[in-house]
Formats: sequence, C-alpha cells, structure tokens
Amino acid sequence: DTGVSQDPRHKITKRGQNVTFRCDPISEHNRLYWYRQTLGQGPEFLTYFQNEAQLEKSRLLSDRFSAERPKGSFSTLEIQRTEQGDSAMYLCASSLPHEKGVTEAFFGQGTRLTVV
Amino acid sequence: DAKTTQPPSMDCAEGRAANLPCNHSTISGNEYVYWYRQIHSQGPQYIIHGLKNNETNEMASLIITEDRKSSTLILPHATLRDTAVYYCIAAPITGANSKLTFGKGITLSVRP
Repeated sequence: DTGVSQDPRHKITKRGQNVTFRCDPISEHNRLYWYRQTLGQGPEFLTYFQNEAQLEKSRLLSDRFSAERPKGSFSTLEIQRTEQGDSAMYLCASSLPHEKGVTEAFFGQGTRLTVV
Repeated sequence: DAKTTQPPSMDCAEGRAANLPCNHSTISGNEYVYWYRQIHSQGPQYIIHGLKNNETNEMASLIITEDRKSSTLILPHATLRDTAVYYCIAAPITGANSKLTFGKGITLSVRP
C-alpha cells in the first residue's frame, strides 16, 4: 500500500502523559498536513509542512503541541501533558505542490486519541 | 478562505442520482471549489475540483454556476457505499495559504 500511513491507529493515554504520532506521506509528496477531528465536526487544520519547513500553524496548535518533519519525509506530532479535550482523531495528509496552488490531498486513516 | 454552506443531510435511493448542493457566495476569483468525502472511520477522500467550468471524472460531476456562488456535486448512480459525509471547500489557488478548510459537510444517506 503506497498511501499515507499513520501510526498508531489508536492510542489511549492518561491525562498528563505525552504522546507522539507518526505520519509517513506518499513518497515524493513534499507537502504534509496535520488535522484534528472531533465527533460530528469536519477536520480542523493544525499545521502544514513543505519539505522540512513548517509553513503555517493554526492557533489551535497550543504550546503543548509540536510537529516536526526533520528530513522532509515522515512527520511526528507530539502532544505534551495531554488533556481530556485533546481526545480526537488526528489526521495526516500529503500532496504534491501544484503550480496553481492547492492540489489533491491524500489522507491517512488517522490516529484516534483517547485521554482518560 | 471563502466559507461554504451545505445542508446538514440528505438521502437518496440506491441507483438514483444524488445532487449535493453547496453555497459559496463569498468565493473569490482565485479559489477553486473542491469536494471531499469521508466514509465512517476513514480519512477524507478527494472527489473532484473545479474553478469555473463544469468537471466530470469517474466518481462524480461538478456543476458550478456561472456566478460561481454555488455548485452541485452529482453522483450519477448512488450506491450504498456512497453513504458518507461530503465536504465542499473553497481553496485559494496560489500563495502560502494552501490548507483545506473543512466545514461540517453534508451527510448523504443512500437507502436500498
């Protein structure tokens, strides 16, 4: 399967613990996005990378959240001191750059985080 | 980014055409209309996009009004597997702001 891969698929953690999620984009996709989705809502943008550069961060991304894409390939999203409100599906997507802007984004299956 | 508005839900009979409306009255000239769908417990899936001309691919057709203030996604022969949340998104063509901004979408239920 050459789609976007996310690991783990499910994570249950205790409040206050740190968690890290990984996203492997489609090979040669230099744009990578992180979204968060809660029940009944559409995905909310968190941040995006072009290669290793983090170009935009949502105000939803508090100081407890950090994302990296060290070599322009896979990315990690870390949440420190988790809170119950962090419980959500975390989605990763990747795309090729398009000379005219946004192009088709391919999404992974997501990581479902439950903070207890 | 232009905000889009969609009805919360609709249904259609299997085998019939499903016409999903979307209003984007504040869309600007440099924004495409994109449609994605999300089947339960999966990530969103791209369907189609267009600027001002009608578009068709193997999944669906996209009809954009001449003033570009609204569009309709057409699934010509809906199947049970098309039951999903469908998102209409207006996204800019150029610039650093290349993210997709999702609303709540429209839940399509295809009945047997």
